[in-house]
Amino acid sequence: QVTLKESGPALVKPTQTLTLTCTFSGFSLSTNGMRVSWVRQPPGKALEWLARIDWDDDKFYSTSLKTRLTISKDTSKNQVVLTMTNMDPVDTATYYCVRIAPTGTTGWYDYWGQGTQVTVSS
Amino acid sequence: ETVTTQYPGTLSVSPGERATLSCRASQSVSSKVAWYQQKPGQAPRLLIYGASTRATGFPARFSGSGSGTEFTLTISSLQSEDFAVYYCQQYSNWPWTFGQGTKVEIK
Repeated sequence: QVTLKESGPALVKPTQTLTLTCTFSGFSLSTNGMRVSWVRQPPGKALEWLARIDWDDDKFYSTSLKTRLTISKDTSKNQVVLTMTNMDPVDTATYYCVRIAPTGTTGWYDYWGQGTQVTVSS
Repeated sequence: ETVTTQYPGTLSVSPGERATLSCRASQSVSSKVAWYQQKPGQAPRLLIYGASTRATGFPARFSGSGSGTEFTLTISSLQSEDFAVYYCQQYSNWPWTFGQGTKVEIK
């Protein structure tokens, strides 16, 4: 059974750095073909892809946020960590950790975490 | 970047009626489109992948079609539990992109 769960602060101040942790089970990120992404959703708005990390440690970032994002993994702990620097109120959103379906050449997100709501305010 | 556009933004439908949601990609994405259902306060849930393959747990009243740049999600007879926001996503061209969503509301 695949599960993902996000954790991190609910409130951060402008200019601070946000660190979110995704703890997952039911698969290993050291397995060939496994990939995990972060997706966010501002209140009442659409989904926005942020970053992706693959089993071979390849990393990909949203072009518009690339300078602010870092994604990493700890396969021994089954965790993926996302950091976002210089937080702004426009970054207020629910942040989701998602797994990319591992079978063949896929790109759909087959499992989602419950999401963690982050508010940026002084 | 491939722009993914959904229309309409809101669809008002009576229970039992058919709902047709559209998704357009700014360039060909073959059949590499997924659809997600999101209910209030919940995470999105995979509904369709490969443009037409239903994910586990969704009934046959949900169907997807299309290829190239035009895609459709059809709900043949809306049930109360189907009122939600639906997102399409293309995974053909990097970066993969989501549409802005279609809200299906009760008429």
